[in-house]
Amino acid sequence: DIQMTQSPSSLSVSVGDRVTITCRASQSISRYLNWYQQKIGKAPNLLIYAASSLQTGVPSRFSGSGSGTDFTLTISSLQPEDFATYYCQQTYSTPPTFGQGTNVEIK
Amino acid sequence: EVQLLESGGNLVQPGGSLRLSCAASGLTLSYYALSWVRQAPGKGLEWVSDISASGGSTDYADSVKGRFTISRDNSKNTLYLQMNSLRAEDTALYYCAKRYNYDSSGHHYFEYWGQGTLVTVSS
Repeated sequence: DIQMTQSPSSLSVSVGDRVTITCRASQSISRYLNWYQQKIGKAPNLLIYAASSLQTGVPSRFSGSGSGTDFTLTISSLQPEDFATYYCQQTYSTPPTFGQGTNVEIK
Repeated sequence: EVQLLESGGNLVQPGGSLRLSCAASGLTLSYYALSWVRQAPGKGLEWVSDISASGGSTDYADSVKGRFTISRDNSKNTLYLQMNSLRAEDTALYYCAKRYNYDSSGHHYFEYWGQGTLVTVSS
């Protein structure tokens, strides 16, 4: 199975900050990488698919980049509603696997 | 508005069985591949199983293979997960999700999720 490792596991930030979350795959996954946001008590919500494609309805402050083994999710200016846990997911091969999550909390 | 509604979660003893259901509204499930994804309390996301639109192809995580069975009844617009020989480590919130394949090779994302149904395995 492909292992997905996110860093950091958590970070404390302020509204308006630029946030960068990294996801590393244990082998090359081309660009088959998705990002989800999960708020407490809610189901995950797709933000980015295929490494950099913004899902319809997702604010443009979210962006994704990367290919191969290294990927990044960037939030250009953090808003109050962005405090949540973020997960990467590879769908290059079965089983599709998730990173362990990055908890973005208020400083 | 698309809604997926899971049901069937409960407290069950180790070795017991449960059947989860996922009913859809605002969406005709028969056109789409579907999945189950679980989340243990306070933990991350784990893919459990997939089923193709026709139901003719299924796949399972190694952790549940041979114990869980995914199925669907397209006439009822419903997805199922039969869970047998349950273990404490199966304790989790179980989500059903609509899978969207964005290329012909099956690369996908989970487009819609239900709110989950809680399975607790404990004596």
